[in-house]
Amino acid sequence: GESVGLHLPTLSVQEGDNSIINCAYSNSASDYFIWYKQESGKGPQFIIDIRSNMDKRQGQRVTVLLNKTVKHLSLQIAATQPGDSAVYFCAGADSSYKLIFGSGTRLLVRP
Amino acid sequence: DTGVSQNPRHKITKRGQNVTFRCDPISEHNRLYWYRQTLGQGPEFLTYFQNEAQLEKSRLLSDRFSAERPKGSFSTLEIQRTEQGDSAMYLCASTLKWARRETGELFFGEGSRLTVL
Repeated sequence: GESVGLHLPTLSVQEGDNSIINCAYSNSASDYFIWYKQESGKGPQFIIDIRSNMDKRQGQRVTVLLNKTVKHLSLQIAATQPGDSAVYFCAGADSSYKLIFGSGTRLLVRP
Repeated sequence: DTGVSQNPRHKITKRGQNVTFRCDPISEHNRLYWYRQTLGQGPEFLTYFQNEAQLEKSRLLSDRFSAERPKGSFSTLEIQRTEQGDSAMYLCASTLKWARRETGELFFGEGSRLTVL
């Protein structure tokens, strides 16, 4: 079955540095991937998505990279800010658009 | 606020009691999802609806759980005879899906936190 996992449970970065959060997935049939940000006590908030026919997509201060060969995706956050502190989840979607989430990486931004 | 709305935000109940959560999706969204999230974990899929039809249920959804979306708008998730293991955040999400549209993002509500004593 599908599983999505993250390499590190916690990532600590200095304010202003770039952050890279990694994620691995197992289901080759997943054709859509999303990164969500979740702050304490709140629901997940969409950050950026990418389809399987792409290997890179950029948003405002964020970039998602998809490597289908090794079933890996990453989220890069440029110039990390205190407001970026949260738990980040990657999720893969199947044809019925059922999202399978990983366990999350907590991003801590040091002032 | 035109986002996904969930009520109640918090519910504390005694073991064995029944609880019901309500989700109001974004008005034009035809797909509605329920997820459960425990501390330190990612959301786990429970079930989803397209309009009023419940199209898929996870094995996580025991027979004590029932979800409805009677008019294709709001949805309810009922848990009967609650157990301490049911304590979690119950998240609702919605999206608009039609035949030729590619998959898009899910919009999540703030969740309903259940504590079973």
